[in-house]
Amino acid sequence: DAGITQSPRHKVTETGTPVTLRCHQTENHRYMYWYRQDPGHGLRLIHYSYGVKDTDKGEVSDGYSVSRSKTEDFLLTLESATSSQTSVYFCAISESQGTAYGYTFGSGTRLTVV
Amino acid sequence: RKEVEQDPGPFNVPEGATVAFNCTYSNSASQSFFWYRQDCRKEPKLLMSVYSSGNEDGRFTAQLNRASQYISLLIRDSKLSDSATYLCVVWYDYKLSFGAGTTVTVRA
Repeated sequence: DAGITQSPRHKVTETGTPVTLRCHQTENHRYMYWYRQDPGHGLRLIHYSYGVKDTDKGEVSDGYSVSRSKTEDFLLTLESATSSQTSVYFCAISESQGTAYGYTFGSGTRLTVV
Repeated sequence: RKEVEQDPGPFNVPEGATVAFNCTYSNSASQSFFWYRQDCRKEPKLLMSVYSSGNEDGRFTAQLNRASQYISLLIRDSKLSDSATYLCVVWYDYKLSFGAGTTVTVRA
């Protein structure tokens, strides 16, 4: 399996606190993505990165920021967590943006905002 | 309107049965189509691509109807291990769009 790990795996945090989720890859893939998954919804793209320091917004980016200072790490930050951000967060990597093939997902982070 | 819509199920079937389900997509310019499988509390994994001519992978058959904008998945001779949520996924403009999934439970 592709080397992609997410941390933490589970987190409970209080409303209004900042939270950072980490995605780490060992595949040297250029493209990295953050999705959230909620009941009744498919995975929805939050932000993605197409290289170091190159990021762009997805469809549900409000309340989230990202950073990518190294190829292997893509961080997702909730600046001030809200209960609506309780979700399962998946990171994904792909070698090329020009193809739908070759996406690999991390194991997910379950975030609960209380 | 959601880009990809699926019947959430659940589809409860006995071992050995055939089960089939569809999804519809709204963007007629969608370029590629897939079925992903997601086990409970796990990450999605690619099950198979879907081609216009239809394609099989063992007990799994996928079909694409571009005119009606729907994709189907058929599972023959269901196994207990087929119990999962099946995600319909379409590709357009360098992005994947996911359906919410169809849950299949195979019982002994």
